[in-house]
Amino acid sequence: AQKITQTQPGMFVQEKEAVTLDCTYDTSDPSYGLFWYKQPSSGEMIFLIYQGSYDQQNATEGRYSLNFQKARKSANLVISASQLGDSAMYFCAMTPTDSWGKLQFGAGTQVVVTP
Amino acid sequence: DAGVIQSPRHEVTEMGQEVTLRCKPISGHNSLFWYRQTMMRGLELLIYFNNNVPIDDSGMPEDRFSAKMPNASFSTLKIQPSEPRDSAVYFCASRPGRGEGETQYFGPGTRLLVL
Repeated sequence: AQKITQTQPGMFVQEKEAVTLDCTYDTSDPSYGLFWYKQPSSGEMIFLIYQGSYDQQNATEGRYSLNFQKARKSANLVISASQLGDSAMYFCAMTPTDSWGKLQFGAGTQVVVTP
Repeated sequence: DAGVIQSPRHEVTEMGQEVTLRCKPISGHNSLFWYRQTMMRGLELLIYFNNNVPIDDSGMPEDRFSAKMPNASFSTLKIQPSEPRDSAVYFCASRPGRGEGETQYFGPGTRLLVL
């Protein structure tokens, strides 16, 4: 069984600063995918970034980057130059390759960006 | 292009009543997922389909829950009879195929309240 842990229930960050959201996972699957989603107060789930377990380079998508450390089983999300619109709940999720799409989510981290 | 469409967006019902949630995936997507989100349990995968066939329903809480996908453009999640503990936001998501790295696109969710 796989398990996703997000240890930060909430955090404040000042506008224009960078913020790192922690995510660790536990799995025995040799191949897997890691995802980050954003859920603003309106409720929709927005895909941010993906990292495959065999990817050699850390994924980046605009202001989002993923600090993937496979040996430590961590996949931290870094948001650079925070904006007020980044205030939301952020979820880390994982799926094993052999049952792709069966996402398991962490508990989430609530981010509040302050002016 | 239209995203994943869910209806109704809000549902209030009384305990014991039948509830049917509906989902129209993105056209051309071959995989469909039903999730439930609650404060206590977070985001949970209930069931998913590939090419209209149920692949894994291990997340369905009990026999009161059933899901169908009669064709590629429509799925239902039914709760009969409903109970107050079923109150949650139910998300439907779809994905293009079974390729690694493909993300799921979520619908806006149905907020269900069982009194």
